[in-house]
Order: sequence, then C-alpha cells, then structure tokens
Amino acid sequence: SAVISQKPSRDICQRGTSLTIQCQVDSQVTMMFWYRQQPGQSLTLIATANQGSEATYESGFVIDKFPISRPNLTFSTLTVSNMSPEDSSIYLCSLRDRGADTQYFGPGTRLTVL
Amino acid sequence: GENVEQHPSTLSVQEGDSAVIKCTYSDSASNYFPWYKQELGKRPQLIIDIRSNVGEKKDQRIAVTLNKTAKHFSLHITETQPEDSAVYFCAASVAGGGNKLTFGTGTQLKVEL
Repeated sequence: SAVISQKPSRDICQRGTSLTIQCQVDSQVTMMFWYRQQPGQSLTLIATANQGSEATYESGFVIDKFPISRPNLTFSTLTVSNMSPEDSSIYLCSLRDRGADTQYFGPGTRLTVL
Repeated sequence: GENVEQHPSTLSVQEGDSAVIKCTYSDSASNYFPWYKQELGKRPQLIIDIRSNVGEKKDQRIAVTLNKTAKHFSLHITETQPEDSAVYFCAASVAGGGNKLTFGTGTQLKVEL
C-alpha cells in the first residue's frame, strides 16, 4: 500500500489563527479525503479533495472554514481557518484508488486550539 | 444518506475469550463493509473487509459476518489477546467509484489479563 505522511504531526495554535496541514503520498492516487476525529469520537468526512478542481464538502463543512487544495495526484492540503477551541481534533487524510474499495489513512495531525 | 450504528460502545473481555461487535446500516445499496482498528494515538488500520456477495470472511482469529436481509454485519475476534485492545470502527459504502465510507461510532475493546 502507499506510504502516507502528514505535516505537522501536532500543533498548538491560538484562537483566530489558521493552520495548513499537508498530506503527501509516495504514489499517485485517484481519491483523497480529509477526515476529522474529535476526542473520543468516530471519523467524520470533511471533504473529498479533487485534483485540479474544487473540493466536494460534506454537510456541515464549508470551503471558507476548511479550504482544500489538491494540485496533483500525490499531494493535498487542508487549512483550518479562524480557529476556535472547538476545532481541536485529529485531522486525517485518507486515500483510495478509483475502482478500488480499500481506503488507507495517514498518521493524522493532532490540533489543539487555545 | 447512509447511517451506521455500532454496538456496544465499550466491551471488556478476559484474555482468551471471544469478542463480538455488531453494526447495522440503513442503505440497502451499500455492498462494502470494512473494519478498522485504531490503537491509542495511531491511525485507523484496516483489519478485514467483506463484500455483499459473501456471507462470511475469516482471517486467522478475526472473522466478519454479513446479513444483507437484516442489514447488519459483525466482527468476531476469537482467543483475544491484550494487543487486541483498541477502538474498532465498522464502516459501509457502495463499492467502486467515488463513494464515501460512513463510519460507525466505534467500540472500545479492552482485553484483560
């Protein structure tokens, strides 16, 4: 399976600031996703990162708050904008090849907002 | 959209006993059902999956069963070991294409010595 890395692995940020999380894959993949996992909770899909076009957001998530880029088939970024303590979560990128079912997760970014 | 319910939320077993986690789904079009294990501070790892064309799949001490009629599927872990202690998530989706996974709420499994 592909090797997935995320930067940063963790960060502590001040309220009102923004953080950009990077997801890098060692091979080209068709589909990349961004998930949020709040403390003690399940995985919630934020959006599907589409290569060369705007991301597809799930209900409850908007582009102004979580802008996503995907300039190529191996890289994507998620920005958490104008952060508040409620944004404290683990953010995970995930990938799957179109036509395949198996989905893999990156190591996650643990974000704490003070 | 799809809704996946998972029970129990916590499960404590003695080492060597079996553990069973159950999930139900709402969308009859779903046909792919993976299970993920997440150890503390780690990423979710796929441990087994099943497609709707089979009723059961086994991999060593882990098995998954699927009842399409009742729209539920279960994870069975036999001869549990302390390293099985983790949070387990079930998920459901329509296989292929760009269909997204919908996750259950998770089960915290603790295997006690």
